[in-house]
Amino acid sequence: EVQLVESGGVLVQPGGSLRLSCAASGFTFSRYWMSWVRQAPGKGLEWVANIEHGGDMKYYGDSVRGRFTVSRDDAKNSLYLEMTYLRVEDTAVYYCARTVSSRGRRPDYFDHWGQGTLVTVSS
Amino acid sequence: QTVVTQEPSFSVSPGGTVTLTCGLNSGSVSGNNFPSWYQQTPGQAPRMVIYDTNSLSSGVPDRFSGSIIGNKAALTITGAQADDECIYYCVLFMSSSGALLFGGGTRLTVL
Repeated sequence: EVQLVESGGVLVQPGGSLRLSCAASGFTFSRYWMSWVRQAPGKGLEWVANIEHGGDMKYYGDSVRGRFTVSRDDAKNSLYLEMTYLRVEDTAVYYCARTVSSRGRRPDYFDHWGQGTLVTVSS
Repeated sequence: QTVVTQEPSFSVSPGGTVTLTCGLNSGSVSGNNFPSWYQQTPGQAPRMVIYDTNSLSSGVPDRFSGSIIGNKAALTITGAQADDECIYYCVLFMSSSGALLFGGGTRLTVL
C-alpha cells in the first residue's frame, strides 16, 4: 500500500524559513516523480513544485519560484521542501503527492496523496 | 496569466446525471493537457478520479467518466449518489511551461 506521510509544519514568522519532509513507503520511490501541492485555509489546491526521479529536474509554481526548493533522498525514501522568505500567504496545508506521466516526459497527474502538514505564517 | 476555470457549484438529484467542466481563460483544452480530476471531502486529502482525459482511477466507480466536450474537459457522473457530494478539482498540464494548473474547484451537491 502506498503511504505518504508529511511532517514539519509549524507556526513561523513572516520572513522565516522551514523545511517540510515526506516519508514514502509501499512503492519504489526512486522510480517516481514527486510533487508538493498546497491548500490555503478554505481555498482551492495549488501545485507548488515537482522533482523527477533522480532529482535532476525540478519545476516550480510561479508563486514560490526563487523562495522554495524541492529535493529528495532516494536512499531514505524521502521528499523535502525547503521554504524561505515565508509570507503570510504561504499559510496552507502542504501535501506530498506521487506524480505520474500519462504519455509524455513530464508528469501530469497525482495518483497518491499524503494527509498533509499545516504551515502557518504569522507574527 | 493562464487560469483554469470551473463552475463554482453544481447540484444534481440522486440518480441523476451531471457534467462538470474545466476550461482555460484563453484557449482550448485538448488531450495534450492530460486533464485529470480529483475529489476532496472536508478535512481529507484529494483523491484521483480520472487521469489522461478519460482513464478511470483504480477503485473509482464506473459511473464516473471523463471526456473533452467542445473546448473544455468534462467530468460526468451518471447515476449520482449521496457520497459523490464533495468538491471536484481538475488539473491541466501546460506543455509550454510544464506547470500543473488546478481549477478553482466545483462544489457538487446531491439533493
